[in-house]
Amino acid sequence: ETGVTQSPTHLIKTRGQQVTLRCSSQSGHNTVSWYQQALGQGPQFIFQYYREEENGRGNFPPRFSGLQFPNYSSELNVNALELDDSALYLCASSSGQVLGNTIYFGEGSWLTVV
Amino acid sequence: AQTVTQSQPEMSVQEAETVTLSCTYDTSESDYYLFWYKQPPSRQMILVIRQEAYKQQNATENRFSVNFQKAAKSFSLKISDSQLGDAAMYFCAYRSGLSAGNNRKLIWGLGTSLAVNP
Repeated sequence: ETGVTQSPTHLIKTRGQQVTLRCSSQSGHNTVSWYQQALGQGPQFIFQYYREEENGRGNFPPRFSGLQFPNYSSELNVNALELDDSALYLCASSSGQVLGNTIYFGEGSWLTVV
Repeated sequence: AQTVTQSQPEMSVQEAETVTLSCTYDTSESDYYLFWYKQPPSRQMILVIRQEAYKQQNATENRFSVNFQKAAKSFSLKISDSQLGDAAMYFCAYRSGLSAGNNRKLIWGLGTSLAVNP
């Protein structure tokens, strides 16, 4: 049990629609990052938020956007969904910006785009 | 750019035996962190063990230990006394020691699926 919770756990969307995934980070963790894990692949870094500001972004188009709230919970928004967006989306939280701090993951949100 | 390679898509081990999972990485940096994560069918990534590159001593966590060879850029995971609950996907991951922006991300291998046979 890592204290990182994600919702929804599973969802199905139609191509072209928009989706919002939510993450509640572990208590006291002010850094949240999101990863996309396609079937049979390792996770790919989408972006990271620290104290409500994006401070790192992977090679994902602008239709992938996020928010972090004052309580450090976070959202991942994906617009104009494409079939290739079908994946497990993982949220991870950690404390501060010390690179050695342990990163804790949630159980992920399975997104299927049809 | 840094890369992580796991050359064993699948491995199997008999219960109570020892198994070693391989991981190699490529980087020009001298300061970095390496991790092994376990992903069971529940899909939650669970940290198994971590290694700081500046530490020469290999990390150990109970039945899990690593063989960190910095010059060879190798970071293998040894699981001793394997248990049925060890069955999962195992991912090797790298994190830069630099503090700016995208350097904070984890870079992952493709994973090794470990089966534990009773």
